[in-house]
This record gives sequence, structure tokens and C-alpha cells, in this order.
Amino acid sequence: QVQLVQSGVEVKKPGASVKVSCKASGYTFTSYGISWVRQAPGQGLEWMGWISAHNRNTNYAQKLLGRVTMTTETSTSTAYVELRGLRSDDTAVYYCARSIFGVVYYFDYWGQGTLVTVSS
Amino acid sequence: DIQMTQSPSSLSASVGDRVTITCRTSQSITIFLNWYQQKPGKAPNLLIYAASSLQSGVPSRFSGSGSGTDFTLTISSLQPEDFATYYCQQSYTTPWTFGQGTKVELK
Repeated sequence: QVQLVQSGVEVKKPGASVKVSCKASGYTFTSYGISWVRQAPGQGLEWMGWISAHNRNTNYAQKLLGRVTMTTETSTSTAYVELRGLRSDDTAVYYCARSIFGVVYYFDYWGQGTLVTVSS
Repeated sequence: DIQMTQSPSSLSASVGDRVTITCRTSQSITIFLNWYQQKPGKAPNLLIYAASSLQSGVPSRFSGSGSGTDFTLTISSLQPEDFATYYCQQSYTTPWTFGQGTKVELK
């Protein structure tokens, strides 16, 4: 069965960087994309960007340009998101989600989430 | 960016009720509209894609309709496990955006 398993809780100071991983299993990793979506405490969902696991093309949300990098490692079927210059408003649960195109793009499987707390 | 407006923001309902949630977009997105359910402390779960297609494994009491700028998620007979927050999401153009969510609570 399809599974996305994310790395654990992170606590970072303002200005630091964080890198969250998402290990996929149960499907052909390079046949789909991975999106990253975050959710601040008590808030809604925010799409951060997308990476194709096939050719590593990326598409990032404008507000994160210059601070975010999404990568994949085909040998381990793992996707990563790195966020630099962390601020308090980056405190959120970060989710990876498999992105599939079937008539439209949608997110059919999600990781369990990784809490990233930014605090001095 | 395409703005997504869900209504209502919250609602109270009883088991067995028919529940309707609407999502309006700031420009036409044809059928590039998906619906997700999220329970507290859990990742979202896909219910409906392409406005009206039921995701495999999702109960048939969930249905979606609409095209262009106006969309609806309907739960035909609310069950105890359906109390959750529901989000619409457009994938017509990046940045892919979500509605603010509709929380369905027990009356």
C-alpha cells in the first residue's frame, strides 16, 4: 500500500534552516510528483510547492521563493523540503502529499506531518 | 492567485442530516476542484477530485458538483465519523490554493 513517512519533530531558532524528509513506498516513486503543504497552528492549509520525482522540475509558491528548495532522491524514494531563514510564522505542521494527474491534479496520499517550531 | 471562499465557515448538524458546503473561486477553474476532509491531528484525506469524482474508498454519501466558479460538497446523511473540517482546493493554476475550511460540528 502507498505510504509516505515523514521525519520527526524539529525545533529551530529564527534564522536557522530546516530540512524535512518524506520517504515513499508502495508505488513507483518516479511516476508521480510530491507537493508540500503546511498548516500553521489552528489555521488552514497552504501549498508550498511541487516537485516532479520524474525529472525534478519544481514549482514553488511565490511567497517562499528564495527560501525554499525541494529535492528528491530516487535511490531511496525520498523527497525533501528545505526552508531557510526561518521565522516564527514558519511554525507549522509540514505535510508531503503525492500529487497525481487524473483529469486534474490532486493529492491522493499524504504523509503524517512534521511539526516544525521556530522559537528563540 | 485564485482566491477560494468557502461557506459557511462552520456549521452544526446532527447525525443523519444532509449537509452542503459551498466553495466559490475568484475566477473560472472549470472542474479543477478537489475536496479534502481533515480530522484533528491528522493529515487531510482526499474525498472528491475533478469537482465530482469520488475517490476510491470514500463512502458514497459524499458527492461533489459544480464547474466554473461555484462548487458544492454534499454529505447526504451525516455520520458520526464525518465531524471534521472540510477544505476545497483548486489545481487550475499555481499556486494551488485552498479554501479557509468549513468545520462541521455536532449539534
